Amino acid sequence: DAGVTQSPTHLIKTRGQQVTLRCSPKSGHDTVSWYQQALGQGPQFIFQYYEEEERQRGNFPDRFSGHQFPNYSSELNVNALLLGDSALYLCASSLGGGGLYEQYFGPGTRLTVT
Amino acid sequence: QKEVEQNSGPLSVPEGAIASLNCTYSDRGSQSFFWYRQYSGKSPELIMSIYSNGDKEDGRFTAQLNKASQYVSLLIRDSQPSDSATYLCAGVNYGGSQGNLIFGKGTKLSVKP
Repeated sequence: DAGVTQSPTHLIKTRGQQVTLRCSPKSGHDTVSWYQQALGQGPQFIFQYYEEEERQRGNFPDRFSGHQFPNYSSELNVNALLLGDSALYLCASSLGGGGLYEQYFGPGTRLTVT
Repeated sequence: QKEVEQNSGPLSVPEGAIASLNCTYSDRGSQSFFWYRQYSGKSPELIMSIYSNGDKEDGRFTAQLNKASQYVSLLIRDSQPSDSATYLCAGVNYGGSQGNLIFGKGTKLSVKP
């Protein structure tokens, strides 16, 4: 049973650049949520995708955008990178349609902005 | 602003002891809570979920929920050095079609041999 996968593992970008992170959900899951985790903090919710639509969004600027594909995989795009965007980006998958809300995380992408 | 609060620790316990981790939350409408374990440099791993008042046991872990007091706890019995990690408490923020998780900052647990 394949778990949540994310790519790339690590990424180094320069201020002002754009980045795309990718996520494939756990087998049987159809909902993908993205979180940002700064050092020493808990994960912060960015947004959630279900049925290829953004269903919920946290307090993040429009520089953060995403997409979900028909196979349930998802991308997170960040434009005009700032130093403060350096963090661990986590993708979590769950089963949609209401229910237990259990979310399972992928290994994360460590983004460093210089 | 919905919040989940945890003591950041570090919490240090000897091997074989009971580790007690606590969490409070501000949203009285929250119904579902989760405990995640996060090893240094790794992603969070779901270890317990609890949806109703009372205790839920799974192996060496017991989660406790008291909705009246807005309090969630995790007990780890017979603590092992391999339990040394940061433990994240999360509640569900309902909205949209699913709800998202609100996390505390985590409690760092150190189990000394």
